[in-house]
Amino acid sequence: NAGVTQTPKFQVLKTGQSMTLQCAQDMNHEYMSWYRQDPGMGLRLIHYSVGAGITDQGEVPNGYNVSRSTTEDFPLRLLSAAPSQTSVYFCASSYSNRGGSSYNSPLHFGNGTRLTVT
Amino acid sequence: GENVEQHPSTLSVQEGDSAVIKCTYSDSASNYFPWYKQELGKRPQLIIDIRSNVGEKKDQRIAVTLNKTAKHFSLHITETQPEDSAVYFCAPPRGTALIFGKGTTLSVSS
Repeated sequence: NAGVTQTPKFQVLKTGQSMTLQCAQDMNHEYMSWYRQDPGMGLRLIHYSVGAGITDQGEVPNGYNVSRSTTEDFPLRLLSAAPSQTSVYFCASSYSNRGGSSYNSPLHFGNGTRLTVT
Repeated sequence: GENVEQHPSTLSVQEGDSAVIKCTYSDSASNYFPWYKQELGKRPQLIIDIRSNVGEKKDQRIAVTLNKTAKHFSLHITETQPEDSAVYFCAPPRGTALIFGKGTTLSVSS
């Protein structure tokens, strides 16, 4: 298994450009999520999905869109890039909540995408 | 993340000492409490987790303790080694998502 695969690894955008960060997993995980990591801020949740066709907002969703048309893929779209979106982006997946309504499974992370917006 | 507090933010120890990191959360419905380790330039990886039906779990030099009444859980690393140097994150759930703390940078000097 490849696990969680993110592409690209690096990207430079100009302000106002749009792009899609790709995330795919081959572990048949129902749960997928996107985090951004900035110095001193930890990992902040952008959007997440508990299964195909279902998405929800996290802590910092503004400026980002997601969709979940298949179990395997969870792309993150930047609609109009801004310098404040310069960050390292991590996609992560896990089995869905098992036996409860609260989250309860380990996350598996991709290797990250380093995005710079100038 | 919101309503997740992690302390201390930095921790420096000598090799062989113990290190303790504490995480306080707010969602009383949480029943899963993981700790992640992130080495420089790498992705976060789970190192230990605990469920709310037990108060402590140990894996070699690493342990996690849980106090559900006070809503906090702690990571304990004994006999620290230079390779333990990394950023450690707690990630208690909030509903159906995991919310990460801001991290603790652990430095182990030999």
